[in-house]
Formats: sequence, structure tokens, C-alpha cells
Amino acid sequence: GIQVEQSPPDLILQEGANSTLRCNFSDSVNNLQWFHQNPWGQLINLFYIPSGTKQNGRLSATTVATERYSLLYISSSQTTDSGVYFCAVGGDFGNEKLTFGTGTRLTIIP
Amino acid sequence: DGGITQSPKYLFRKEGQNVTLSCEQNLNHDAMYWYRQDPGQGLRLIYYSQIVNDFQKGDIAEGYSVSREKKESFPLTVTSAQKNPTAFYLCASSILPGQVYYNEQFFGPGTRLTVL
Repeated sequence: GIQVEQSPPDLILQEGANSTLRCNFSDSVNNLQWFHQNPWGQLINLFYIPSGTKQNGRLSATTVATERYSLLYISSSQTTDSGVYFCAVGGDFGNEKLTFGTGTRLTIIP
Repeated sequence: DGGITQSPKYLFRKEGQNVTLSCEQNLNHDAMYWYRQDPGQGLRLIYYSQIVNDFQKGDIAEGYSVSREKKESFPLTVTSAQKNPTAFYLCASSILPGQVYYNEQFFGPGTRLTVL
């Protein structure tokens, strides 16, 4: 099956800093999603981005499908950005299960 | 409000007991999924269903069972055969599978199961 690797595993930043989270995957995909898991465990959808670039406020994401990686950018970090960020990918059409990476734990210090 | 609900939020079970976790969605999604998350780990797929009365095993189906009698409901039973059931369980749904351009999954708030 598809392998998903996220880096770095942990990231500690001062409030206001920028960060880049990376997701590498081992095969072609038709679905790539970025999630933020809050302290209560809720998975919040950030981006659905199997290819291309999207932006939503201080967050943006880029997926280069041909090179099998995706990047999540967070600018001007706030303490509410703390949590775990997951990348998840899906492979075949008609079988839309997601394979998750192990996440990046982001801690923003005031 | 459209969304996915899971109940209960917390569940405690004695060893040897079966328990059923509820998942309901009113998004009119065809596909539903159950994932398990262990501490410090990503999510792993237990079962998924693309249409009513049909479901498939995921990567870690042993010790679990599901049913899909209604489009909006996909309950998960954790049986006594599951050797290490303590975990966080998340349910998800997505629109009709096979739609090429948009099959984003959305998640419920989860159920934390603890076996005593």
C-alpha cells in the first residue's frame, strides 16, 4: 500500500513565526488532504489538494503530484495553531480510503 | 446543521464485553468509514462502506464488525475478540465514491473507548 511520511515529527515555534510541514508519499494519489487535530481530538479539514496550490487565510498548501510530495505553510503562527497536523492520501478511484501519516506536532509558544 | 455525530463521547468497557459505537451523518454522503487512532499515531482504517448493505474490511478489521442498513448510519461493534480495543475511534464520510474530482472525507468528533 501507499506509504506516507511527514516531517518534522515535532516543531516548536514562537508566536508570529512561519512554518513549513512536509508530506511525502510513495505512489500516485487521487486524494490528498491536510487536517489539524485539535486538543479534543477533532480532525479539522484544512485542504483537499491532490495537486496544485491553495490558500486559506494564513494557511496555504502545495502538492507536486509528479514528485510525490505536499507542503503545508503556516504564516504568522498563533497559539491556536498548536496541535497535530496530518497528511492523508488516497489511491485508487472507487476505493477512497485514506492512508495517514504519523503527523507533525506543532507547539506555538506565546 | 449538517454534520457527523458520534456517540458516546467516552465509553468504558469491561474485558469480554462487546460494545457498539454510533455514527450518524446528515450530509447525504454515500460512503462512510471507521478509523482507529492510538496515542501518538495516525489513523488506521477499520471498515468502510460505499453503499447501503455493503461494506469492506480495511487494514485492521479483526475483532470489529459493522452494518450499513441506512445511508446515514454506520455503527461499529468492538467485539471481545479485539485484543487491544482501547483507542480513539473516528467515523468519516464522503460523497459518492468514484467521483473523480471531489471525494473529500469529513470526520466526526470521535469516541474514546477504554477497556478496564
